[in-house]
Amino acid sequence: GENVEQHPSTLSVQEGDSAVIKCTYSDSASNYFPWYKQELGKRPQLIIDIRSNVGEKKDQRIAVTLNKTAKHFSLHITETQPEDSAVYFCAASSLSGGTSYGKLTFGQGTILTVHP
Amino acid sequence: EAQVTQNPRYLITVTGKKLTVTCSQNMNHEYMSWYRQDPGLGLRQIYYSMNVEVTDKGDVPEGYKVSRKEKRNFPLILESPSPNQTSLYFCASRPARQETQYFGPGTRLLVL
Repeated sequence: GENVEQHPSTLSVQEGDSAVIKCTYSDSASNYFPWYKQELGKRPQLIIDIRSNVGEKKDQRIAVTLNKTAKHFSLHITETQPEDSAVYFCAASSLSGGTSYGKLTFGQGTILTVHP
Repeated sequence: EAQVTQNPRYLITVTGKKLTVTCSQNMNHEYMSWYRQDPGLGLRQIYYSMNVEVTDKGDVPEGYKVSRKEKRNFPLILESPSPNQTSLYFCASRPARQETQYFGPGTRLLVL
């Protein structure tokens, strides 16, 4: 089945710095890659996603890049703020076949801490 | 309000005592899924359902059962809970042709 690896497991930055979280996936049929943010004691919330026909997507301070050839995708957060502190999960899925069809496979998570 | 609900939110039980965690969504979503979240392992899929009466195993189905008799409900059943099923459980749903999943608030389970 699909396997998603996420790095780093913890990331500590100063307010205003950028943060980058990287994920790799194994199933070439995967074509949907969401990122979730989970605050302490809360449910995962979708913050941005990208489909395989796009190489980059931005939403204000958040961007995601996708390299299908290398099977990796990354989350970039610029001008970090203390409220960005949370656990971030990447995931991979396919709606068109392959071992990840209909399933969302998550990475292990990254604990991001933004120091004021 | 469109939402996914889970009950109970917190549960402490003992080994072997059957329990059910309910999940309900009011968005008419076809697809529903259960995940467990453990530190350092992310969220792992237990079971999923593409529609009523259609269920399939996820990555960690051992020790769990599900049913999908109605479109809105997708209960998770632990017939004989064991301590290694102590975890945080999330239910999620999405429409058939959309990828975005909507998560419930989570159920924290402790099996003694």
